[in-house]
Amino acid sequence: AQSVTQLGSHVSVSEGALVLLRCNYSSSVPPYLFWYVQYPNQGLQLLLKYTTGATLVKGINGFEAEFKKSETSFHLTKPSAHMSDAAEYFCAVTLNSGYSTLTFGKGTMLLVSP
Amino acid sequence: ETGVTQSPTHLIKTRGQQVTLRCSSQSGHNTVSWYQQALGQGPQFIFQYYREEENGRGNFPPRFSGLQFPNYSSELNVNALELDDSALYLCASSVQGAWGEQFFGPGTRLTVL
Repeated sequence: AQSVTQLGSHVSVSEGALVLLRCNYSSSVPPYLFWYVQYPNQGLQLLLKYTTGATLVKGINGFEAEFKKSETSFHLTKPSAHMSDAAEYFCAVTLNSGYSTLTFGKGTMLLVSP
Repeated sequence: ETGVTQSPTHLIKTRGQQVTLRCSSQSGHNTVSWYQQALGQGPQFIFQYYREEENGRGNFPPRFSGLQFPNYSSELNVNALELDDSALYLCASSVQGAWGEQFFGPGTRLTVL
């Protein structure tokens, strides 16, 4: 079984500041890892994913995440926050198998102040 | 390329009623998964359909059921609605085996009174 823990239900940053959203996972086999963003009253949009290969993955809107197996982490970062980044962010894990279902963390709400 | 669509957008039902939610997959996708997202929570996996059969199920009772049609669209049916069923229901489509990546629709907001 797999699980995801997102530290901090809310993270507040100023516009232009570094964004760091934390995600730790638990999985008995090598996982695939995802970050999704959800704007109010909308569905989930994929930001980035790690499957195999390079452990630093780049996504849309300037976000990136690094897979660290030794720390079982997949933290999401962005060098400079923009007001439009304010949303809820979900980390998710799935196993390397034909039957793939996503297990999500509880989410982190990113608040960006001017 | 058309993305994942869901209908209706919003729905209000009373306790004990039955509801059907609909989802159209993204073109080229053969797998549909349904998730329930309660307020302030992450999405929880309900079940997945592949080749018109249930391919996996989360921790949801049998009153949650589904269908997948030959065109890969899908329905989620919930019988005997309870107040706790109030949530955003998300449909996601994917290609079986394709690295687990799923594409989500905008969701259906169900309110049970």
